[in-house]
Amino acid sequence: DTAVSQTPKYLVTQMGNDKSIKCEQNLGHDTMYWYKQDSKKFLKIMFSYNNKELIINETVPNRFSPKSPDKAHLNLHINSLELGDSAVYFCASSQDGTGSVVTQYFGPGTRLLVL
Amino acid sequence: GQSLEQPSEVTAVEGAIVQINCTYQTSGFYGLSWYQQHDGGAPTFLSYNALDGLEETGRFSSFLSRSDSYGYLLLQELQMKDSASYFCAVAGGYNKLIFGAGTRLAVHP
Repeated sequence: DTAVSQTPKYLVTQMGNDKSIKCEQNLGHDTMYWYKQDSKKFLKIMFSYNNKELIINETVPNRFSPKSPDKAHLNLHINSLELGDSAVYFCASSQDGTGSVVTQYFGPGTRLLVL
Repeated sequence: GQSLEQPSEVTAVEGAIVQINCTYQTSGFYGLSWYQQHDGGAPTFLSYNALDGLEETGRFSSFLSRSDSYGYLLLQELQMKDSASYFCAVAGGYNKLIFGAGTRLAVHP
């Protein structure tokens, strides 16, 4: 009965590889997010989708490509991985509507280490 | 632009009360939220203030003053399990939450 789940939990890979992270929520929310948390624990939004539509695309290299097949799923594909991509990536979801964005439910995170 | 300021670290003893302050600057404002994150864990929603005043949820309370662009999280009767990072966050636009850098709270016996 996990609310927001992510796979994999850990990802260790070589520079230059391509990898994907998957996220699913069973809360019935319309909006999903990807965040990056760096080693200093700074949490920064990358993308936001509302009902499968991209609504926020922060200044993120185009090596990062999100995809939402339906409103319960949001995946993140990363091409040509770089050392600086090492971080924890969190998926989150919230209900639709102004103000609902403040209450977000986070997945357990995917710890990505690029060697 | 949008920015939030909060202390990087706070230390307290079990049973004490601690206040974590947050000042913000944002072009739009829908509310101030607080999240808790234990080491190795995910951020967890604690509280939300859209209007001025104090919101109480058990041992935790959150306060907002929109005129001062200021809020705080108050943790009472501190327990060891409260040791975590606490983030304030503002909704500065539709579907966008901006997080502060986090305050690491260490609770000692």
